[in-house]
Amino acid sequence: GESVGLHLPTLSVQEGDNSIINCAYSNSASDYFIWYKQESGKGPQFIIDIRSNMDKRQGQRVTVLLNKTVKHLSLQIAATQPGDSAVYFCAEESNTGKLIFGQGTTLQVKP
Amino acid sequence: ETGVTQSPTHLIKTRGQQVTLRCSSQSGHNTVSWYQQALGQGPQFIFQYYREEENGRGNFPPRFSGLQFPNYSSELNVNALELDDSALYLCASSSQVGTNEKLFFGSGTQLSVL
Repeated sequence: GESVGLHLPTLSVQEGDNSIINCAYSNSASDYFIWYKQESGKGPQFIIDIRSNMDKRQGQRVTVLLNKTVKHLSLQIAATQPGDSAVYFCAEESNTGKLIFGQGTTLQVKP
Repeated sequence: ETGVTQSPTHLIKTRGQQVTLRCSSQSGHNTVSWYQQALGQGPQFIFQYYREEENGRGNFPPRFSGLQFPNYSSELNVNALELDDSALYLCASSSQVGTNEKLFFGSGTQLSVL
């Protein structure tokens, strides 16, 4: 069946360091992936997306990498700041059009 | 802020009751999706509405139903509430049907079923 999973439930990093959050997906036919950030008491907020015809996409301080061979997705955050503390979800667009979310990784930024 | 507003923000109900949650989509958005997010989990797709019709449904029983109005706002109705229905219910709107690009989420309604 369809599933999206993250490797670690919690990631703790020092302020200023780079963060890498990983995600594995199971549907090799999926061609659209999104990373969301969810802060306490708020809904998911779009960070960056990537289509399967790309293997890397960069935004402001964030980079998403897609490895279709091993069905792996990662989110890299450069110079992590306290405001980056949140739960991060990867999501996969299924062939029926719905979004399938992973369980989330909690990013804790230590001052 | 995304412009997607949901009401109420919090709600407490008892098992067996019915509940209606409301969502106003972002200006210019004609597609609304509803998600259920249990504590510690990622959101799960309930259904989507486009042009006042259901346009896709996830693995949820028929007691979960919805409406979309001509102004594109939407309601989620849940009948015969069960304890496991306790969750954060998220509404998301977009201006394009058939794609999840530019999907904006509201802050959700926290439903507790006792």
